[in-house]
Amino acid sequence: DGGITQSPKYLFRKEGQNVTLSCEQNLNHDAMYWYRQDPGQGLRLIYYSQIVNDFQKGDIAEGYSVSREKKESFPLTVTSAQKNPTAFYLCASSIAPPGEREPLSYNEQFFGPGTRLTVL
Amino acid sequence: KNEVEQSPQNLTAQEGEFITINCSYSVGISALHWLQQHPGGGIVSLFMLSSGKKKHGRLIATINIQEKHSSLHITASHPRDSAVYICAVRAGQFYFGTGTSLTVIP
Repeated sequence: DGGITQSPKYLFRKEGQNVTLSCEQNLNHDAMYWYRQDPGQGLRLIYYSQIVNDFQKGDIAEGYSVSREKKESFPLTVTSAQKNPTAFYLCASSIAPPGEREPLSYNEQFFGPGTRLTVL
Repeated sequence: KNEVEQSPQNLTAQEGEFITINCSYSVGISALHWLQQHPGGGIVSLFMLSSGKKKHGRLIATINIQEKHSSLHITASHPRDSAVYICAVRAGQFYFGTGTSLTVIP
């Protein structure tokens, strides 16, 4: 079955530590995304990647870093510079990045199950 | 101010009721995405549309680009429809609403 996997499901971190969240997809999608979800707020874009070895900052990239060495993988590192890292993190992918593309299905995003990060 | 506003924020319905969730947006868009988030956090794509109406089973989504408004309808609601429904608009990147929490009571 094709899909997106994220691990771990729950992650606890001490202040000052870096942690890496895993995201893997076997959908052969070019575009991948990392979102952060906080209570009472919509999903906010952290980073996205349109192609291997290329990625762009989203609206809230400060304190985060990513890599895209393989098409299937887009890990997110939450660094100690992120002031309020406790949140639910969602990874997504689409055939193509958002834009004026037809068919619409090329931009349709498929989400992983999420990782809940708690800083102790 | 959010680019995407949803209403209501919370909704409780009896099983079998017809449900409507509304989404209004303030930016120019080329497409709109309805998503469903279950209590465990996983998100499923329901519809992506740029005009008119789409139907899938008991779910119907409509969009009026001129009025900057979309609705998601659920006919014959069922307890398994209980979830958070999220509207997202495509304007360069995607912008997401805060979601509508739906509870359907048996």
